[in-house]
Amino acid sequence: EIVMTQSPATLSVSPGERATLSCRASQSVSTNLAWYQQKPGQAPRLLIYGASTRATGIPGRFSGSGSGTEFTLTISSLQSEDFAVYHCQQYNNWPPGTFGQGTKVESK
Amino acid sequence: QVQLQQWGAGLLKPSETLSLTCAVSGGSLSGYFCSWIRQSPGKGLEWIGDLIHSGSANYNPSLKSRVTISVDTSKKQFSLKLDSVTAADTAIYYCARGFVAAAGPLFDHWGQGTLVTVSS
Repeated sequence: EIVMTQSPATLSVSPGERATLSCRASQSVSTNLAWYQQKPGQAPRLLIYGASTRATGIPGRFSGSGSGTEFTLTISSLQSEDFAVYHCQQYNNWPPGTFGQGTKVESK
Repeated sequence: QVQLQQWGAGLLKPSETLSLTCAVSGGSLSGYFCSWIRQSPGKGLEWIGDLIHSGSANYNPSLKSRVTISVDTSKKQFSLKLDSVTAADTAIYYCARGFVAAAGPLFDHWGQGTLVTVSS
């Protein structure tokens, strides 16, 4: 089973600032890595797949990078609606399915 | 527009069976992963298992002995059964439809979630 580790657990950022979130895989997942955004009381929403491709309708301020075992999600200029929990998911080795434990982006 | 609507009992006693159903509208289940994912209070996402129409079901090893996922493509519904629940199974349960990417799914459509509480 591939273990996904996200850091930090909580990120405090002011609106307009850049947020950088990390996701590490216990073994290579190539670029088969997705990011999801989850707001309180809502289901997750697909943001990024293929490590760097934005899903339909996702604003350009969201970008993803990385390959192998190290991945980054960057929000270039945080908007109020971006405060949420972000999850990474690998789909290179399935089953079992594995997600990271999530990073909460909160207002500083 | 694809939508997933899920339903099932939200309050169970220990040892009972959790049963949830998810219906898809505006799209198909054929060729897609029909997946169940749960989230314990304040925790991350935990994959329970999935079934793709053309294959067999896959389950989280930690739950495998208690889980059954089934699909009725004619009704565009899929279901989750989890036997012998305990308080540790208290969570929000999501159904999700995933399209095939690499070896696994990308979840682009989710149900609204069902809070299942296990308490005596």
